[in-house]
Amino acid sequence: NAGVTQTPKFRVLKTGQSMTLLCAQDMNHEYMYWYRQDPGMGLRLIHYSVGEGTTAKGEVPDGYNVSRLKKQNFLLGLESAAPSQTSVYFCASERSWRGTYEQYFGPGTRLTVT
Amino acid sequence: GDSVTQMEGPVTLSEEAFLTINCTYTATGYPSLFWYVQYPGEGLQLLLKATKADDKGSNKGFEATYRKETTSFHLEKGSVQVSDSAVYFCALSATTTSGTYKYIFGTGTRLKVLA
Repeated sequence: NAGVTQTPKFRVLKTGQSMTLLCAQDMNHEYMYWYRQDPGMGLRLIHYSVGEGTTAKGEVPDGYNVSRLKKQNFLLGLESAAPSQTSVYFCASERSWRGTYEQYFGPGTRLTVT
Repeated sequence: GDSVTQMEGPVTLSEEAFLTINCTYTATGYPSLFWYVQYPGEGLQLLLKATKADDKGSNKGFEATYRKETTSFHLEKGSVQVSDSAVYFCALSATTTSGTYKYIFGTGTRLKVLA
């Protein structure tokens, strides 16, 4: 049981390049999330998904796209990277347990855009 | 709207000192409250939770009590260790009257424990 995994762990992009971050979970959770973490700003929600084939915008969706073709995978895409997207990206899946919701996080992807 | 406010860090303590990290929230309805911990280079991990007023969550020597009257969920530990050095996030989950669901994190409080 690997939990939530993210690939890659590190990436450096030039402005204008594109990339896809992959998140996978083996806990059969319906809900999945993408966050970015920046110094002094905590976690900000980019996009989320409430089930296979669904996606929705979070707090800071501009410049990102997502897809949830399979329940276990949630992909985050950057079509044209900008320096403002330099951040640490975390994926999370969520368990509903006795009326509460607990989130499980991946180890993060550190992205630098030059 | 709903929000979570944490005390600003960093908090620096000596080993075996008493820890308090303050967290207050605003929310309509009856949110569930959480503390998450993030160790260096890792993702967040659930530390403890409470689902209703007066509930006390506890784990690994940490405790927090859901206080509806003061809308607070302060994290405490009686004797911290160097290994507790991390960033601590307070969070809430709530369902609005219209049925939408949200999960809100505070900005995090960095704790540094010195030997």
